Amino acid sequence: EDKVVQSPLSLVVHEGDTVTLNCSYEVTNFRSLLWYKQEKKAPTFLFMLTSSGIEKKSGRLSSILDKKELSSILNITATQTGDSAIYLCAANFGGTSYGKLTFGQGTILTVHP
Amino acid sequence: KAGVTQTPRYLIKTRGQQVTLSCSPISGHRSVSWYQQTPGQGLQFLFEYFSETQRNKGNFPGRFSGRQFSNSRSEMNVSTLELGDSALYLCASRQGLAGEHSYNEQFFGPGTRLTVL
Repeated sequence: EDKVVQSPLSLVVHEGDTVTLNCSYEVTNFRSLLWYKQEKKAPTFLFMLTSSGIEKKSGRLSSILDKKELSSILNITATQTGDSAIYLCAANFGGTSYGKLTFGQGTILTVHP
Repeated sequence: KAGVTQTPRYLIKTRGQQVTLSCSPISGHRSVSWYQQTPGQGLQFLFEYFSETQRNKGNFPGRFSGRQFSNSRSEMNVSTLELGDSALYLCASRQGLAGEHSYNEQFFGPGTRLTVL
């Protein structure tokens, strides 16, 4: 069964810290890995990764995929209180469609001022 | 471009009733996927519709069904509601074109919070 596991499940840091969130997957026919940020409502899209070793960056956030290790990391530098959220990792496994995402449990990030 | 919209945003029903939720994808997106989010199970895939056809289905009972219209809008129906159906129901849309990965990023709507009493 396809599975996505995130670690840590929760993390508490202070503003200015750098954090690294982990996501690993067990795959049959992996296609892509997506990161989302969820505050009080719907998940907001951050990145989609399909190629190993190519870093995607958006401001203070960056992410990279390692297909050999079946994992991905999401880095947030110089954290701010507005980064407090649940970070979700999801994988798309092949076979029929890109439309099905399998999500991890999420990492709850709390950033204190 | 307007984002994914879902109606209603909140719904309270009683056990045994049925409910229909609606999702309008981003203009030009042909695929709509539905997910259920609960504190215990997290985000779980329900089904995906593409060009009015169900392409994938998750591990949910037959009480959960859906459909997609020619304008790509989608509805999800849950019959004979149970207490355990209380959840945030999210839909996500993507362009759905083959061959270009960027067309397969999924964007979520605000969700419908369903409470079953």
